[in-house]
This record gives sequence, C-alpha cells and structure tokens, in this order.
Amino acid sequence: DAGVIQSPRHEVTEMGQEVTLRCKPISGHDYLFWYRQTMMRGLELLIYFNNNVPIDDSGMPEDRFSAKMPNASFSTLKIQPSEPRDSAVYFCASSVDSREQYFGPGTRLTVT
Amino acid sequence: AQSVTQLDSHVSVSEGTPVLLRCNYSSSYSPSLFWYVQHPNKGLQLLLKYTSAATLVKGINGFEAEFKKSETSFHLTKPSAHMSDAAEYFCVVSGTGFQKLVFGTGTRLLVSP
Repeated sequence: DAGVIQSPRHEVTEMGQEVTLRCKPISGHDYLFWYRQTMMRGLELLIYFNNNVPIDDSGMPEDRFSAKMPNASFSTLKIQPSEPRDSAVYFCASSVDSREQYFGPGTRLTVT
Repeated sequence: AQSVTQLDSHVSVSEGTPVLLRCNYSSSYSPSLFWYVQHPNKGLQLLLKYTSAATLVKGINGFEAEFKKSETSFHLTKPSAHMSDAAEYFCVVSGTGFQKLVFGTGTRLLVSP
C-alpha cells in the first residue's frame, strides 16, 4: 500500500491567494483527518470525515478554511484568501477505526 | 476530557544507552494510548499502541511502553539508542468510543555518537 498521499509536498504562495491541499487516504479507510502543525501550537486537528461526511470541523480556524471529501479516495483543504499566519505543515491522516491513524508526509505551506 | 503531558521537551542520550521518554495521561475513561514518532520533514509514524490488553506494549524498532494505571503513566523506553532514533516523539491519548486523538507537545530525542 502506498500509504496516505498528499500533494503538493511544498507550497509557496503570496498572501491573498487561494491554496488547495490534496489528500488521498489509504484504500478502505473510512475516516480522514486534517491536521495543522506549527511550532507555537503543535499538532491541531482541523476537521475529520467519516464515510466522506464532515463530522467535526470545530478546529477549523476561520471561514477562510474549507474542506471537502467528494469521494472515498480524495479530500481537499482550501484556504481562501491565504495569510502569512497560515504558514504551517498540514497533515492528512486516515484510519479504519478512527483511533490508529496513519499520517501522510505533509504539505509545507509558506505564505509570504 | 483527555490530556497527556510529556514531561521533557528534550532528551539527550548517547548511542547504545537506554532511552526513557516520559508521558502522563489524564482520562475520564479507560484510555487508548499511542506513541508516534516524527523524523525531520516527515509525517508521523505509529510506534505502538495500548488498547486495554497487555500493559507492556512492544512496538517497532525495539521500543516498548508500559501502561501504569496507578501512576497514570505510559513511558516509552528502548534498551539501546541508535542514531536513527533521533526524532520527535508524541504521546497521544484517545478515550473509549470515538474521541479525538489528543497529542502531547512532543519530546525531541537527541542521540550523540
């Protein structure tokens, strides 16, 4: 199995631009999680899906952030408009039973 | 609510010496506990998990952890450190039923030759 796949691995964009991060979970996993990691705040859960349905988005910082999961093999996290404080590493993770989560390699986002 | 406290932000050891990374947890329920490792510029990898079976849990790469309910601890150990063990380690707790995973602040393990 290829594991959780994230793209792009690195993204550099200017403030105000739209950013879309992509994730392909492990086949057969029915939970998908989006996390953000920063030095200041550590790992934060942004949102998670079960069977493609958003269950808890209480960690999404602002309305500028949105996430979708149109099918079992694809999810996106969108930031519009982006701001420098959004600079972080964004991880996607998937799991079968929602506890033992498998993480992707992350997307390092830099907003200038 | 569940929480974990990693007692050391940094731990330094010499190659070949034992490793001890400390974690205390707080949980209203019988918890599930995990240790994840993150190597530089990599994602998080599950090292081991405790889910109410044996209290001594063996993981990958020679790591193990012991669940001690009386001490609310779940410390990670390894008999002999290797240079490749240098990484950030996260203690994580989850409650019964689905609960969000709650991550500790991490412990950076430094291994010197």
